[in-house]
Amino acid sequence: TQLLEQSPQFLSIQEGENLTVYCNSSSVFSSLQWYRQEPGEGPVLLVTVVTGGEVKKLKRLTFQFGDARKDSSLHITAAQPGDTGLYLCAGGWGTYKYIFGTGTRLKVLA
Amino acid sequence: ETGVTQTPRHLVMGMTNKKSLKCEQHLGHNAMYWYKQSAKKPLELMFVYSLEERVENNSVPSRFSPECPNSSHLFLHLHTLQPEDSALYLCASSQERWSTEAFFGQGTRLTVV
Repeated sequence: TQLLEQSPQFLSIQEGENLTVYCNSSSVFSSLQWYRQEPGEGPVLLVTVVTGGEVKKLKRLTFQFGDARKDSSLHITAAQPGDTGLYLCAGGWGTYKYIFGTGTRLKVLA
Repeated sequence: ETGVTQTPRHLVMGMTNKKSLKCEQHLGHNAMYWYKQSAKKPLELMFVYSLEERVENNSVPSRFSPECPNSSHLFLHLHTLQPEDSALYLCASSQERWSTEAFFGQGTRLTVV
């Protein structure tokens, strides 16, 4: 059974701090996405990574796909209150094979 | 017009009621999805519709019935639900017949009493 574990589950930090959240699995994925979901809204796609070792940057967010395509990390530099939300990773493999991670709930305090 | 629109945003229904959730996408995408988001559980894929076929998660109870009359509209018909079905139901669409990059609606918060 495919499973994507995210850690930490909850994270509360001060504005300006850096943080990293992780997405881990024992299975290989053909692609992996990161989403952010704010309260009362649906998830919004942030990035897709497909190549092992790939690094993508989106302003203060840096995403990395593990070399073996089993894990990924999201690093936020100088977090801001607007970064607050639920961060979800999602992995795909095969046809109609797609799962979401358990989520990391981030709160950035001003 | 937002990309994916869901109505209603909130719904309270009794266990004997019949109701429907509606989703409309304005992105010209070819595939649409229903997801269920419960507290403390990962987002669960319920149904996938593409132009040609429906893919159904085998673990979805028959009290949930999807309908996709065209590539822009998706419905989820609900009947004789249970309190444990209370959750946020999210609709999504994607460009490709099957893509892991999805655009989500705002969801319908469903409460079964």
